[in-house]
Amino acid sequence: EIVLTQSPGTLSLSPGERATLSCRASQIVSSSYLAWYHQKPGQVPRLLIYDASSRATGIPDRFSGSGSGTDFTLTISRLEPEDFAVYYCQQYGSSPGTFGQGTKVEIK
Amino acid sequence: QVQLVESGGGLVKPGGSLRLSCAASGFTFSNYYMSWVRQAPGKGLEWVSYISSGSTNYMSHADSVKGRFTISRDNAKNSLFLQMNSLRVEDTAVYYCARDRYGSGKGPFDCWGQGILVTVSS
Repeated sequence: EIVLTQSPGTLSLSPGERATLSCRASQIVSSSYLAWYHQKPGQVPRLLIYDASSRATGIPDRFSGSGSGTDFTLTISRLEPEDFAVYYCQQYGSSPGTFGQGTKVEIK
Repeated sequence: QVQLVESGGGLVKPGGSLRLSCAASGFTFSNYYMSWVRQAPGKGLEWVSYISSGSTNYMSHADSVKGRFTISRDNAKNSLFLQMNSLRVEDTAVYYCARDRYGSGKGPFDCWGQGILVTVSS
C-alpha cells in the first residue's frame, strides 16, 4: 500500500500568516488522486481539496492544493482563527486508500 | 441537507461483537459507495471497509479487520452497517460513516457522520 508522510508534524504560526503543508507518497499517486482534509478538535474531518488541486464545495479560496507524482502541497494563504486544526492528506489512486499521519497547525 | 448519523457503539469486552449502523438522508443513498473510517484515540484516520453502490454489494475490508468485520447496506432503508466480531483492544476508536465522492471505494470522502465511539476493554 502507498504510505503518505506529512511534514512538518506541527506548524506554529500566527493568524494572517501563510501555511505550507507537505505530503509525500512512497509511490506515484495515480492520476493525482490526492485529497486534503482538516479536523478541528472534537469535530469531524472535512474535505478541503480533491484531485490534488480542486476545492471542495464551500471551501474558501485561501486554501489551495498542488503537486503530482509523489509530492503534494496544501497552502493556506492567510490563516484565519478557524484554520488551526489537524490536516490530513489521503491518496485514493490505489487500493487501499491511505491517509497521512497528519500535520497540526497551531497558534504561535 | 446531506446527513449521516451513526449509532450502535459502546463498550464491549475483547472477543465480543457490535453492529454499527449509519442512517443516511438528503441524497440518493443507493447511488453512492459508502465506507467506514476509524480514528483511534489521539491518532490519525484509518479506512476500514467500503461497499459498492446499487445492488452489486461489492465490498472490501482493510487487512486489519478482514475476516472479523463485515460491511453491508440496505438501500431501501438508506442505511449502512458494520458488523464487528472478535473485537480486539486495538479496535477501540471513533468509527465514522463516510460517503465516497467518486464511487471507487477509496475516496475522497465528501460527507462524514458525527462518529460513534467503540471501546473494547475488559
